[in-house]
Amino acid sequence: KAGVTQTPRYLIKTRGQQVTLSCSPISGHRSVSWYQQTPGQGLQFLFEYFSETQRNKGNFPGRFSGRQFSNSRSEMNVSTLELGDSALYLCASSLGPRPNPPYEQYFGPGTRLTVT
Amino acid sequence: DAKTTQPPSMDCAEGRAANLPCNHSTISGNEYVYWYRQIHSQGPQYIIHGLKNNETNEMASLIITEDRKSSTLILPHATLRDTAVYYCIVPSKEGNLIFGKGTKLSVKP
Repeated sequence: KAGVTQTPRYLIKTRGQQVTLSCSPISGHRSVSWYQQTPGQGLQFLFEYFSETQRNKGNFPGRFSGRQFSNSRSEMNVSTLELGDSALYLCASSLGPRPNPPYEQYFGPGTRLTVT
Repeated sequence: DAKTTQPPSMDCAEGRAANLPCNHSTISGNEYVYWYRQIHSQGPQYIIHGLKNNETNEMASLIITEDRKSSTLILPHATLRDTAVYYCIVPSKEGNLIFGKGTKLSVKP
């Protein structure tokens, strides 16, 4: 079974621009979560989607948004990019929504975003 | 904040068992413990999870103390490819993974 895929793998943007990242979950998985990883803050939860609905959201500004499509694929968008948004953005998929019976999450390789 | 405490780093000789401890003294009765690892610049990899009983899969064993305040992840025969940061996680009440700093395991030849 194919794993979680994320595109693009690397991206360079300038301050003020916006960016859209894409995630395709494992076939049959309906929950998609997004995380940001930086050297200073570590891995931080952004949001979770299930059945095209955002179920949980982390402590990030409104510039960070996402959506999920009917085929469970998900996108996240960051508007008005700041230097501090430079990070590895990780997507994870699981069978179902949380906090129901523990569904382990499977992570993609991430998108490395550099903001200059 | 993360609900777990782990040592920042550990070394292990190749071929020996790696025992990674984790304290989760505030865990409640229905909260699971998850372990993930992250090899440099890759996405985290799920290893194992458990509630009360010890668990074993093809990757590792998870030993949870009877009072559930701590657990140990055991890699029975560590290889160089097991060098990674290992995260012990008790999810939030919403079920979100809250990553701490983890334990950096270095497997040495």
